Amino acid sequence: EAEVAQSPRYKITEKSQAVAFWCDPISGHATLYWYRQILGQGPELLVQFQDESVVDDSQLPKDRFSAERLKGVDSTLKIQPAELGDSAMYLCASKVSGLQETQYFGPGTRLLVL
Amino acid sequence: QQQVKQSPQSLIVQKGGISIINCAYENTAFDYFPWYQQFPGKGPALLIAIRPDVSEKKEGRFTISFNKSAKQFSLHIMDSQPGDSATYFCAARAPQGAQKLVFGQGTRLTINP
Repeated sequence: EAEVAQSPRYKITEKSQAVAFWCDPISGHATLYWYRQILGQGPELLVQFQDESVVDDSQLPKDRFSAERLKGVDSTLKIQPAELGDSAMYLCASKVSGLQETQYFGPGTRLLVL
Repeated sequence: QQQVKQSPQSLIVQKGGISIINCAYENTAFDYFPWYQQFPGKGPALLIAIRPDVSEKKEGRFTISFNKSAKQFSLHIMDSQPGDSATYFCAARAPQGAQKLVFGQGTRLTINP
């Protein structure tokens, strides 16, 4: 069964450093999401891509976060500089198209900022 | 208006019992209501979903009950098993624009053997 791949699975960094997370969606999935999940809470959408275009990044802290999906396949989420409050699980999800409903989540990257 | 409120935060049920998790929403434009199951260290996985034109959907031991007038929906797990121990999230989709999912806070379910 095809899965969403994410790496790294765990990342420990010091505040003010830069971190990057990578996501490879299920093949053929045009829509890709990055979520942040703080411990004990539900996922919150950071950014949504349709192919290589950003559809919604209204909740992305653009002063320090950036996301790209240059060829409309895999995607990278970057934080620079990282802050203590960025410690969370970063989840990537994908689905076939805008009309299809089911989002498939990857295993996530757990970030700890010291 | 974009919030989905979920309760309880945590729930302990004996094996064989019924687990019930509730969610409430305000935005009547939401058009799709999924439930996700998440095990520790894993991403959420879709469990079951319902549209607002249906009052109930059942898949195996899992049932969603949907009350459109009360703007509430719930997940019922019949004959709960220790393997059901996980965190459950309800969500709702806004049909406009990006059609993003808004998640509840989650319920940590423990099934005691």
